[in-house]
Amino acid sequence: AQSVSQHNHHVILSEAASLELGCNYSYGGTVNLFWYVQYPGQHLQLLLKYFSGDPLVKGIKGFEAEFIKSKFSFNLRKPSVQWSDTAEYFCAVNVRYSSASKIIFGSGTRLSIRP
Amino acid sequence: KAGVTQTPRYLIKTRGQQVTLSCSPISGHRSVSWYQQTPGQGLQFLFEYFSETQRNKGNFPGRFSGRQFSNSRSEMNVSTLELGDSALYLCASSRMVSGWGSTSTDTQYFGPGTRLTVL
Repeated sequence: AQSVSQHNHHVILSEAASLELGCNYSYGGTVNLFWYVQYPGQHLQLLLKYFSGDPLVKGIKGFEAEFIKSKFSFNLRKPSVQWSDTAEYFCAVNVRYSSASKIIFGSGTRLSIRP
Repeated sequence: KAGVTQTPRYLIKTRGQQVTLSCSPISGHRSVSWYQQTPGQGLQFLFEYFSETQRNKGNFPGRFSGRQFSNSRSEMNVSTLELGDSALYLCASSRMVSGWGSTSTDTQYFGPGTRLTVL
C-alpha cells in the first residue's frame, strides 16, 4: 500500500540553524508532492509543491524542497530557521492512477525553535 | 478572496448520536475534500466531492458519508458516533479534482477545521 514517511517526529533547533526534514513515499507511479505547515492555532497552509519540471522547488518563507525520484524522497530544507518557524510540518503525496487519485499525508514533524 | 470556512468550529456529542459538519469552499472551487486529523493517526483522507459526485473515497466505515450541493458547499455526516471519532475534521477545496481526467493536480486549500469531541 502507498505510504508517506516522515521519520522525524519532533525536531528541536536553535535559531539560525539549518533545517532538513525528511519525507519518503512508497509508490512507483506518477506523484505530485506537497509540504504543508500548521502554525500553532492556525490551519494548514501550503508551503510548496512539486508537479513537474525542476526538482528543486522554492516555496514561501525561504523554504525549499528537492524531489529525488530515485530515492522516492521530497525533503524540506531551510538554510537558517527563525523562531517563527515553530510549527508542525506535513508532507503529502498525491498518487495518481489512470482516472483517479488520492492524497496521502505523512504523520507530521513538529519543529520547535529555541530563541 | 475569502478562504474555506467550516461550521461549527467545535462540537460535543455523545456516543450513538449523529453529527453533520459543513464546509464552504473558496469561491470558484468545485472540489471539496474531507480529512480526519488525530494525534495517533495523523491526517487521513475521508472523501472528495466534485460537481455533487463523490470522486474519491478513503478507508472509513459507512457511518461516514458526505454530499455536495450545486453551489459546491459540502456536508459530512457521521452516524452512530463512537469515542474514536473524536478528531479535528478538515475540509479542503480546490478548483478541480486532483488528477481526475486531468494531467495536472490542483492545490488544496484547507479550512480551520471542526473539533468534534465524542463523550
